[in-house]
Amino acid sequence: SQKIEQNSEALNIQEGKTATLTCNYTNYSPAYLQWYRQDPGRGPVFLLLIRENEKEKRKERLKVTFDTTLKQSLFHITASQPADSATYLCALVEDDKIIFGKGTRLHILP
Amino acid sequence: DTGVSQDPRHKITKRGQNVTFRCDPISEHNRLYWYRQTLGQGPEFLTYFQNEAQLEKSRLLSDRFSAERPKGSFSTLEIQRTEQGDSAMYLCASSLAGGRQETQYFGPGTRLLVL
Repeated sequence: SQKIEQNSEALNIQEGKTATLTCNYTNYSPAYLQWYRQDPGRGPVFLLLIRENEKEKRKERLKVTFDTTLKQSLFHITASQPADSATYLCALVEDDKIIFGKGTRLHILP
Repeated sequence: DTGVSQDPRHKITKRGQNVTFRCDPISEHNRLYWYRQTLGQGPEFLTYFQNEAQLEKSRLLSDRFSAERPKGSFSTLEIQRTEQGDSAMYLCASSLAGGRQETQYFGPGTRLLVL
């Protein structure tokens, strides 16, 4: 079965800089890959979906890339703000269910 | 419809007791998922329903766990004879199946503490 690897250590980024989070998977490339945001004590919130035939997807200050050769997705937040501080989860579909990574905690420092 | 709701939000119980959680999905969504999440981990899949049919159960779901979705709307997750290892956040999500993509909408979760 698929394994998703996200950097489990927290990422500290200065406000205004670009934060880049990494998601690697181990097996076959999924049809699509998703990114969610989770705040403490709350359920995850969907942010972006990128399909296997898309190289890049953007939404406001967010950008996701998908490299099926490297088996990797990168999630970028440009012009980061303290309000972007949260845990970001990478997820992909396997056998009709969604598998999540452990998430990366992002701290944007004012 | 304001989204997925879960009840209760918090539950403290003693080891050996039974607990039941409820999830109300977004009304037009036909799929409903249950996940468990512990500190520092991502949500782990437990089971899911399409309408009232339970289509898959994870190996994580021991025989002490049972889930139902009797009319294809709300769902309940029951844990019998709770153990301390059951302490976790239990998340429910719903989605509209079909098409090439599926976005799940999560509820706020029920945090369970077993003493």
